[in-house]
Amino acid sequence: DTGVSQNPRHKITKRGQNVTFRCDPISEHNRLYWYRQTLGQGPEFLTYFQNEAQLEKSRLLSDRFSAERPKGSFSTLEIQRTEQGDSAMYLCASSEGRANEKLFFGSGTQLSVL
Amino acid sequence: DQQVKQNSPSLSVQEGRISILNCDYTNSMFDYFLWYKKYPAEGPTFLISISSIKDKNEDGRFTVFLNKSAKHLSLHIVPSQPGDSAVYFCAASGDKLIFGTGTRLQVFP
Repeated sequence: DTGVSQNPRHKITKRGQNVTFRCDPISEHNRLYWYRQTLGQGPEFLTYFQNEAQLEKSRLLSDRFSAERPKGSFSTLEIQRTEQGDSAMYLCASSEGRANEKLFFGSGTQLSVL
Repeated sequence: DQQVKQNSPSLSVQEGRISILNCDYTNSMFDYFLWYKKYPAEGPTFLISISSIKDKNEDGRFTVFLNKSAKHLSLHIVPSQPGDSAVYFCAASGDKLIFGTGTRLQVFP
């Protein structure tokens, strides 16, 4: 399977705990995106990488959130001191990095903060 | 501010009939538009796209229409099938995709 892979699929945590999600993009893709989706909303952009460089961060990405893509391959998204409002599906997507192209999404990580 | 809007949260259509999903955008700089389909507990899957230099793009049962002057696009599915039941998102492309809030389509027999 050469699609975008996300782990874990589900994460349940208690408020105040730290969580980390992983995304493995399609191997030849240079760009990697993180989105968040809550019930009744469309995916909301969080951040994206061109290779290992983080090029843009949304204002939605508070200082409790950090994303890395250390070698330009897989990426991690960490949320520190989780809050109930962080409960959402976190989606990762990748693309080749050309203009006007589609993104390929993973199946997401569903986070529930109790 | 919502740059991409889908004003119909849900749509119910009989199998075999046409489904029409609508989307409006506010930023005239957008030049590429996409439709994604999403099943529960899965990531969005690309369906069809259109460049702003075109006003129509067709792929099998799916056709997307773009009206740049009205900043409006629509997705037509004909004939609709029960397997088309899902949430449909339109998205506009800049350096990232900006999504609408989605329309839940239900196709009943």
